Amino acid sequence: GDSVTQMEGPVTLSEEAFLTINCTYTATGYPSLFWYVQYPGEGLQLLLKATKADDKGSNKGFEATYRKETTSFHLEKGSVQVSDSAVYFCALKVDSNYKLTFGKGTLLTVNP
Amino acid sequence: SAVISQKPSRDICQRGTSLTIQCQVDSQVTMMFWYRQQPGQSLTLIATANQGSEATYESGFVIDKFPISRPNLTFSTLTVSNMSPEDSSIYLCSVSEGTKQFFGPGTRLTVL
Repeated sequence: GDSVTQMEGPVTLSEEAFLTINCTYTATGYPSLFWYVQYPGEGLQLLLKATKADDKGSNKGFEATYRKETTSFHLEKGSVQVSDSAVYFCALKVDSNYKLTFGKGTLLTVNP
Repeated sequence: SAVISQKPSRDICQRGTSLTIQCQVDSQVTMMFWYRQQPGQSLTLIATANQGSEATYESGFVIDKFPISRPNLTFSTLTVSNMSPEDSSIYLCSVSEGTKQFFGPGTRLTVL
């Protein structure tokens, strides 16, 4: 079946540090890949997505590139801020009408 | 993007009782999804609800425990029946628009 494996947390960084959260996947078909973010006390928000190999999704300074050869979709940001503190979920969807499969989430805390 | 609201936002219930969660979308959507996020865990799909047909449940979830209604293209309800403390979770409604999926703010349920 489909699955997503992402970096265990929690991750604690200082402001302006470089962030990488690793995500790898297995899928029965050709998936679309997503990163969702859940800020404290808030709902789940789509952060970025990529729908085919070598696509790069980007938003709010975050980037992730769809790597089919390594089945990966690692999230990166060059300089994190305290406001980036949240839980980040990697996810995939094989069919546009079917379910999202989520990783376990990675808690990021950014200290001033 | 779809705007999704849920009611109630949170509730504390006694074991053995039932709670119905409402999900309202600001546009007509074919497929709606109900997810569960247990404390410290990832999101797990409970069921997919299409208007005019029976909901499709994922492995480990049954209609008697989680009955779902989908009376029209903008509304759905999920009932958590005969609750136990193990049902304490955040329940999220979600809709699909093309390759993107949007989530409601969630209903935080605590069962005592």
